[in-house]
Amino acid sequence: GQQVMQIPQYQHVQEGEDFTTYCNSSTTLSNIQWYKQRPGGHPVFLIQLVKSGEVKKQKRLTFQFGEAKKNSSLHITATQTTDVGTYFCAGGGSQGNLIFGKGTKLSVKP
Amino acid sequence: ETGVTQTPRHLVMGMTNKKSLKCEQHLGHNAMYWYKQSAKKPLELMFVYNFKEQTENNSVPSRFSPECPNSSHLFLHLHTLQPEDSALYLCASSQDLATSWDTEAFFGQGTRLTVV
Repeated sequence: GQQVMQIPQYQHVQEGEDFTTYCNSSTTLSNIQWYKQRPGGHPVFLIQLVKSGEVKKQKRLTFQFGEAKKNSSLHITATQTTDVGTYFCAGGGSQGNLIFGKGTKLSVKP
Repeated sequence: ETGVTQTPRHLVMGMTNKKSLKCEQHLGHNAMYWYKQSAKKPLELMFVYNFKEQTENNSVPSRFSPECPNSSHLFLHLHTLQPEDSALYLCASSQDLATSWDTEAFFGQGTRLTVV
């Protein structure tokens, strides 16, 4: 079945360093969404990308959707302690459901 | 608050018990979902309902039984669970099934289930 792979599983950074998580699908995705889950919390929607090659920015966060619509990335510039959490990508599957990656857990050392 | 409310927030149950998890959304969404989140397999999709009709059942054991009486409410009935079923159960809703022009999923805060 369709799968969305996400790497790395864990990332530990010093505050101020950059962070990137990558998402890859075995099939073409209709769209890609990114979510953030704070420790003890629930996933919260960050952004959706739909177009091939699309790039969107939210302050220090940059999201990219690959040209083939099979991969995506989330890059955080100059991480802060408030960025701590698990970041999930989720791709739109062929049956209309969201297929989530396993997430990247980010920890930031002050 | 996301507009998706789950009760209870925490639940401890024995293996012979029967309990139900409740999810309620007042966002006017047509699709609702149950996810299981555990340390080993984050965000496993369990059930999908679209316009109250179940569209997907990801090979979930029959000890989990969903019910969607209307588009605003979703239940997960639990019966004779196993300790390995202990996890965070998340409900989510979206305007429709996630298609390329569609919207995000709104998650409830989850029910932390412990089976003893």
